[in-house]
Amino acid sequence: ETGVTQTPRHLVMGMTNKKSLKCEQHLGHNAMYWYKQSAKKPLELMFVYNFKEQTENNSVPSRFSPECPNSSHLFLHLHTLQPEDSALYLCASSSIRTSGTDTQYFGPGTRLTVL
Amino acid sequence: GENVEQHPSTLSVQEGDSAVIKCTYSDSASNYFPWYKQELGKRPQLIIDIRSNVGEKKDQRIAVTLNKTAKHFSLHITETQPEDSAVYFCAASIGGTSYGKLTFGQGTILTVHP
Repeated sequence: ETGVTQTPRHLVMGMTNKKSLKCEQHLGHNAMYWYKQSAKKPLELMFVYNFKEQTENNSVPSRFSPECPNSSHLFLHLHTLQPEDSALYLCASSSIRTSGTDTQYFGPGTRLTVL
Repeated sequence: GENVEQHPSTLSVQEGDSAVIKCTYSDSASNYFPWYKQELGKRPQLIIDIRSNVGEKKDQRIAVTLNKTAKHFSLHITETQPEDSAVYFCAASIGGTSYGKLTFGQGTILTVHP
């Protein structure tokens, strides 16, 4: 349960605030992901990083800004969010397998509320 | 892009019964199909996965079957127990340059009544 950690676990912010979510993986993986989980919606992939390089941006609004300084850490910087951005934000990590996708391990998530 | 449909959205069974959840996918290039279990307030956890080179995989009370021709795969849980109650998500992924991109189904809320 401690392979992928996320902080903070809960965050309440106003629409004009700037905050950051942090994810850290201790599994030796080299791919990291941000997902958004809203009520009654499937998990939505936001960003993918392979070897610190962003390989996927799933049409995410620019008010979400990811940063991956190394293969173990991933950040999601938030600014001028909207109430509809309230959701559970999940981080995940995996190894890279050129022949296919490897298992993704999820963090506990950050429950974000935008007022 | 890939689209994954999952049914049913809710499933209620009696303890000891079997439960089956089905998913269909749209992209025939998808080759990796994991199933995740998410208990209330917890992270999604992988329970079983299957790759396109096999048709069935079992792990104790859990099995997954894959029909590549029809582009659907199913999760089978036998002898259900109350602790199986959770939300189950299927997903599909294409390998190669799109590796890592999982497309999830909408989820199934499974309730096992004692």
